[in-house]
Amino acid sequence: EIVLTQSPGTLSLSPGERATLFCRASQSVSNNYLAWYQRRPGQAPRLLIYVASSRATGIPDRFSGSGSGTDFTLTISRLEPEDFAVYYCQQYGSLPWTFGQGTKVDIK
Amino acid sequence: QVHLVQSGAEVKKPGASVKVSCRASGFTFSNYVFHWVRQAPGQRFEWMGWLKGDIGDTKYSQKFQDRVTFTRDRSAGTGYMELNSLKNEDTAVYYCVRNVPDTRHDAFDLWGQGTVVTVSS
Repeated sequence: EIVLTQSPGTLSLSPGERATLFCRASQSVSNNYLAWYQRRPGQAPRLLIYVASSRATGIPDRFSGSGSGTDFTLTISRLEPEDFAVYYCQQYGSLPWTFGQGTKVDIK
Repeated sequence: QVHLVQSGAEVKKPGASVKVSCRASGFTFSNYVFHWVRQAPGQRFEWMGWLKGDIGDTKYSQKFQDRVTFTRDRSAGTGYMELNSLKNEDTAVYYCVRNVPDTRHDAFDLWGQGTVVTVSS
């Protein structure tokens, strides 16, 4: 199965700063079928990005995804207070679908 | 408002079975594909498989193939996940999640609130 490794484990930033999160796959993700989720404390995960770079419905354009093959990036252009959360990547290119371990974005 | 409403917490002994329900609220169950995902304490999310809400077709992760069954009641707009031969390691929060409408993409746009299943002797 494909193992997804996210980095860094924790990202400490201030509101207004740019956040760059990484997700590396142990083998190439077919068709770049990679999604990103945000999870705020006490809430269910929220889909942000799918197929590496397509924003889900209602997701602000400060969230963007990029990458292909084994290396993917989620960028938050300017952090808003509500963006401090844990972010997960998930691949659905090869069964079984798998998730990364998460990156926590916290307030510096 | 759209929701997935799951059944309540369960405590089971090793070797027993558990059945978790997931009811669609605010949308039509049979128009979507649903997945089950679990998260054990301190572990990653783990995908278990999917169920097509219309025709009831299923696909299971190999890891759970021999122990899990997904079913649905279309008229009730409800899906079910039954896991048999429970082990201590099955202690986790179990989530029912909805696939995005474009079924080329197994990405999850709606999550249930989660059901805590505790397996302990």
